[in-house]
Amino acid sequence: DAGITQSPRHKVTETGTPVTLRCHQTENHRYMYWYRQDPGHGLRLIHYSYGVKDTDKGEVSDGYSVSRSKTEDFLLTLESATSSQTSVYFCAIRGQGWSDTQYFGPGTRLTVL
Amino acid sequence: DAKTTQPNSMESNEEEPVHLPCNHSTISGTDYIHWYRQLPSQGPEYVIHGLTSNVNNRMASLAIAEDRKSSTLILHRATLRDAAVYYCILNGSARQLTFGSGTQLTVLP
Repeated sequence: DAGITQSPRHKVTETGTPVTLRCHQTENHRYMYWYRQDPGHGLRLIHYSYGVKDTDKGEVSDGYSVSRSKTEDFLLTLESATSSQTSVYFCAIRGQGWSDTQYFGPGTRLTVL
Repeated sequence: DAKTTQPNSMESNEEEPVHLPCNHSTISGTDYIHWYRQLPSQGPEYVIHGLTSNVNNRMASLAIAEDRKSSTLILHRATLRDAAVYYCILNGSARQLTFGSGTQLTVLP
């Protein structure tokens, strides 16, 4: 158990509204990640963080922003949600060492109507 | 970044060993080979990883070819709870994990 929680676990919202998803870790890990998973695709990296206030873009970052004001929390914001952002969102942390092993949260299912 | 190739699906009988193959012919010398699995409606779960030598843990074994161009995840005795999508991933030069579509393992009772 890597001590990762995500909130909310489920959310339904309307097109054009802002949405913020939260990832919280209790293990003080430096690296945190946000992925999305859609049918027919594996997980795709949205953004990641390598420290407080240090973030970078992943493969599918358009339409998303992130913030990390403290080590334990990594927030993913959809400024104006679109139906194409309907997906399951997973947060992950990277464990210690050079192997880059990641540990995942339980996911947030977001539906944009 | 180097890519991996896995069969789309495999079947196994319960309580029998399962060998899940992965090809990674363009692997670089510093790439770790990772295996994750994803059970229905859950996040991916770390299974095992290795660099050059075969590895064992409580969940599985990882057999890595001598030239490192392929590897095999071995579940010694499949159970119904092992039915999942199994991903073989290399961490790559950017030290990120890029997930492919994986192998859907079905375990038959």
